[in-house]
Amino acid sequence: ETGVTQTPRHLVMGMTNKKSLKCEQHLGHNAMYWYKQSAKKPLELMFVYNFKEQTENNSVPSRFSPECPNSSHLFLHLHTLQPEDSALYLCASSQVGEVSNQPQHFGDGTRLSIL
Amino acid sequence: SQQGEEDPQALSIQEGENATMNCSYKTSINNLQWYRQNSGRGLVHLILIRSNEREKHSGRLRVTLDTSKKSSSLLITASRAADTASYFCATDAKGGATNKLIFGTGTLLAVQP
Repeated sequence: ETGVTQTPRHLVMGMTNKKSLKCEQHLGHNAMYWYKQSAKKPLELMFVYNFKEQTENNSVPSRFSPECPNSSHLFLHLHTLQPEDSALYLCASSQVGEVSNQPQHFGDGTRLSIL
Repeated sequence: SQQGEEDPQALSIQEGENATMNCSYKTSINNLQWYRQNSGRGLVHLILIRSNEREKHSGRLRVTLDTSKKSSSLLITASRAADTASYFCATDAKGGATNKLIFGTGTLLAVQP
């Protein structure tokens, strides 16, 4: 139990579907992240939210839309995805403050497959 | 762009042996972190070393950092089958957001019982 819960664990969707990934952290952290992990590629940072405000959008296509309603919840809304978007999507959280670089705590990810 | 690269890409050893993994990066950093990932799971933080530190220990883990060579190594001593996982280094960019991490491609470690 890492304190970061992601649902669903697996998702299969067609290219025209709309779905959402959910992440919840129970650690009292003030920053949350979405990462994409594809085979044989480095983990890619997609979005960063500090204190519910988006501070990073790493040139992510608009078919991925993040939402952070509060510091404990993070969503990734998916729409009109492409086959190359099939990957493991990981959520993480950390405490950002005066002490830099607190470790990031990861959920177990959502394995997304686009048909 | 800054990116960590782990070496080797894959490593297979026997239980009880030591495992050494290396990480190289391209730009100045504040800190370097190591994470592990078991198959089908998320990443778990192992250890953080600051740019002004040269060596750090945590249990069976030993991390070194050479900022002049922009490289780090992770040593796991007396390995166990349960150490089988992928290991990643992650760096931030000096002067940039300290929570914006750049991960390497990882080393897949297999420890044979």
